[in-house]
Amino acid sequence: KNEVEQSPQNLTAQEGEFITINCSYSVGISALHWLQQHPGGGIVSLFMLSSGKKKHGRLIATINIQEKHSSLHITASHPRDSAVYICAVRFNGGATNKLIFGTGTLLAVQP
Amino acid sequence: DTGVSQNPRHKITKRGQNVTFRCDPISEHNRLYWYRQTLGQGPEFLTYFQNEAQLEKSRLLSDRFSAERPKGSFSTLEIQRTEQGDSAMYLCATQERAEDTQYFGPGTRLTVL
Repeated sequence: KNEVEQSPQNLTAQEGEFITINCSYSVGISALHWLQQHPGGGIVSLFMLSSGKKKHGRLIATINIQEKHSSLHITASHPRDSAVYICAVRFNGGATNKLIFGTGTLLAVQP
Repeated sequence: DTGVSQNPRHKITKRGQNVTFRCDPISEHNRLYWYRQTLGQGPEFLTYFQNEAQLEKSRLLSDRFSAERPKGSFSTLEIQRTEQGDSAMYLCATQERAEDTQYFGPGTRLTVL
């Protein structure tokens, strides 16, 4: 069982739809990251959360520490949002700040 | 462009050959990570440097793999006697402070024939 699980694995949406991607993890964390990866490999950090909620443009990320769960929401989705979205966590008590990644959610937004 | 560069971007090699990848971090970032990503999977941690010291290595890093960061700036990852299972994207990420986000390079895609 992966320590970080994401759902869904694949998501197809129509332009303008509200999108939610979920992430669950198994043990206590010090931070959770949402990352975006476009074809070709480059990874960009979208959010880093340790509690509550953050918003940037059409993207919103929330985290519930007690339930060990985070969600990434995209409002008014657009084809340029098509990418792989990856959740990654930094576990408590680690000697380094290495990230443990989920397998990603492949999002395709159709015009 | 995150400011982290990796070279080469693509490498095709024959099984049994040695390969070396380079990562140049953002200049003030003293923390550097190497990750490996295979198709359809999230990245997996390989090793971590703080300045020139290699502080953690994953058990994924077999004795064919070695990483260095000789002056605490750029880092190299060498794979000796490559195997087809080494085919993957090798990602470098750097960080200024422990509580900061990590900035990823574009990756080096390795194909072992």
